Amino acid sequence: DSGVTQTPKHLITATGQRVTLRCSPRSGDLSVYWYQQSLDQGLQFLIQYYNGEERAKGNILERFSAQQFPDLHSELNLSSLELGDSALYFCASSPSGLALNEQYFGPGTRLTVT
Amino acid sequence: AQTVTQSQPEMSVQEAETVTLSCTYDTSENNYYLFWYKQPPSRQMILVIRQEAYKQQNATENRFSVNFQKAAKSFSLKISDSQLGDTAMYFCAFSNYQLIWGAGTKLIIKP
Repeated sequence: DSGVTQTPKHLITATGQRVTLRCSPRSGDLSVYWYQQSLDQGLQFLIQYYNGEERAKGNILERFSAQQFPDLHSELNLSSLELGDSALYFCASSPSGLALNEQYFGPGTRLTVT
Repeated sequence: AQTVTQSQPEMSVQEAETVTLSCTYDTSENNYYLFWYKQPPSRQMILVIRQEAYKQQNATENRFSVNFQKAAKSFSLKISDSQLGDTAMYFCAFSNYQLIWGAGTKLIIKP
C-alpha cells in the first residue's frame, strides 16, 4: 500500500459525458501527478500540482483539467469524453515539487467510455 | 530532449534464472535520479529500486540490483533467482525536473 488513494476504482460512462477522478496523496506529500495509461501502453504524464499550484504540464488535452485543493487532495476533470479516453488514470505523489524524489502511485481509476 | 529507451519489448525466463533488463537514457544533466518501476497484472505501479546519479555504488534491493554506467548512460536492472511473482511490466524512468518514462519491458517468468 503506497498511501495514495484514488476514487473511484472503476468508472463506466458514455461519450460526451464529464467525470471527476479524485486523488489523496500520501501524508506529508505536497506534489500530485496525474498520468494516463492506455491498454498495453506506457505512462503519459498529464499534469503536476505542487502545494496547490500547477507546476508542470504534459500531454493534457484541453478537455481535461485538474486542481489541487488546500487539503492537498487533487481532482482530474475529464469532459466531452471520447472512446479514446478509455484508460487507466494514475495519481502519484511525492514530498517535494521536484521530480528528483520517487513518486508513489495510487491504485488507479479505470475509465471506460462506451 | 531527455529520453529513456528500453530496447526489449518482451522477455521471458525460467523461474530461478537471472534476467537483466536494459535501459539507456539521454541527458546533458549531471544531477539526476533513475528508477525502475514494476507493474504486475494488477496494474499497480510499484517502485522497485532507485539510483542517484552522484553515487557510484550500484543500488541493491534484495534480489534486485542495478548496473549503473553513467558515462554510457546505461541503467540496467538485474533480477536474481526470478520468481513467478516477478512477472510484470518493468518501466525505467529518469528524473531531473520531470519524470521521463521508458516504454516498458514485459517480463514473463515461466514455471
